[in-house]
Amino acid sequence: DSGVTQTPKHLITATGQRVTLRCSPRSGDLSVYWYQQSLDQGLQFLIHYYNGEERAKGNILERFSAQQFPDLHSELNLSSLELGDSALYFCASSVRSGGGDTDTQYFGPGTRLTVL
Amino acid sequence: AQSVTQPDIHITVSEGASLELRCNYSYGATPYLFWYVQSPGQGLQLLLKYFSGDTLVQGIKGFEAEFKRSQSSFNLRKPSVHWSDAAEYFCAVGLYGGSQGNLIFGKGTKLSVKP
Repeated sequence: DSGVTQTPKHLITATGQRVTLRCSPRSGDLSVYWYQQSLDQGLQFLIHYYNGEERAKGNILERFSAQQFPDLHSELNLSSLELGDSALYFCASSVRSGGGDTDTQYFGPGTRLTVL
Repeated sequence: AQSVTQPDIHITVSEGASLELRCNYSYGATPYLFWYVQSPGQGLQLLLKYFSGDTLVQGIKGFEAEFKRSQSSFNLRKPSVHWSDAAEYFCAVGLYGGSQGNLIFGKGTKLSVKP
């Protein structure tokens, strides 16, 4: 158990809908990262938050957004869902960011999103 | 651009045999390198990491990896594979500097273990 929790574990929804995925980092970790894992694209970085502020964006669609709250949990919002958004979404956390042992990322169990 | 290549998509080894999973990276600066393992239906578990210092790093579950700067490689090894090692293995490079801190992953190598 990494100490990172994600809810829900599974999510099934229809095209055009909006969903919210939740992540609670390990105690003491300030950084939260979101990744998408799909069969065709593999594991891809979406977005990084550090202590409530957005730090970096990867291949995140405009229909997707995220935020990190004062208690450091994070939410990933996916809207206008398409079939191709079906994937496993991981959250990871680290103590800080910028290099070094404190930046080792620990992953949650993931949320499997199925868009029908 | 930074990238990670895992040339072997699928490897099958017999239980008790040795294992080497290959990883090559492309990164301009000193890399931070990681190996993660993903069991079916599970999240990613950190096996080991390299930041600096000794180029041979030990990890959990009897795994080790060797960083070779001249070959831009970070291969994962285990002297004797157990059936429970069957999983998918991902090599990753950490993009650090400025405000960045994300990982770039390889496509993964699926390991099957024959009894």
